[in-house]
Amino acid sequence: DTGVSQDPRHKITKRGQNVTFRCDPISEHNRLYWYRQTLGQGPEFLTYFQNEAQLEKSRLLSDRFSAERPKGSFSTLEIQRTEQGDSAMYLCASSRGLAGVRRTDTQYFGPGTRLTVL
Amino acid sequence: SQELEQSPQSLIVQEGKNLTINCTSSKTLYGLYWYKQKYGEGLIFLMMLQKGGEEKSHEKITAKLDEKKQQSSLHITASQPSHAGIYLCGADPGAGSYQLTFGKGTKLSVIP
Repeated sequence: DTGVSQDPRHKITKRGQNVTFRCDPISEHNRLYWYRQTLGQGPEFLTYFQNEAQLEKSRLLSDRFSAERPKGSFSTLEIQRTEQGDSAMYLCASSRGLAGVRRTDTQYFGPGTRLTVL
Repeated sequence: SQELEQSPQSLIVQEGKNLTINCTSSKTLYGLYWYKQKYGEGLIFLMMLQKGGEEKSHEKITAKLDEKKQQSSLHITASQPSHAGIYLCGADPGAGSYQLTFGKGTKLSVIP
């Protein structure tokens, strides 16, 4: 496995601009997750995909946030009209997804995208 | 919602010393994951515990799960500078959810 990759690693933008992040999961992993982490805090769940279907969304995911996973491969997270409060590390994770088992399995994280909104 | 409290928040130890980090849940633990994070980087999976009383070891790191106390502990024996980082526990909330709920982390510094 080559690991989870994220692009870009760093993004600086001005308030009001739109940004898009990409995540490439470990190949053959069915589940993909997005988390947000601010300084001194643990990661907070944003959303989850099972293949191409978005099955869970957190209340943190406001209308300005949208995530997609076309064809069940890579995923994108877009933030529209960025605000200074969006500054954080955005982490992507993937897991194999145990068929027929409705519980968590080990999530492997990417290096993250650090967003700074000026 | 489930909350995880980690203690201590930070820890400074001399190289070679043993240490323990605790993670206590406000609700029943269905599964507990330990990760390590270097500053500004992603999380590295260490271990996963599922059953009460379960204990796992990898190199000099041992993790235990106490279901009754809703608590997990991570023990490092003979610490090394390479053990420095932020240790995070993450819990399976059960009820068919696949997200993990994380604690705030314990920052470990190891002085050579």
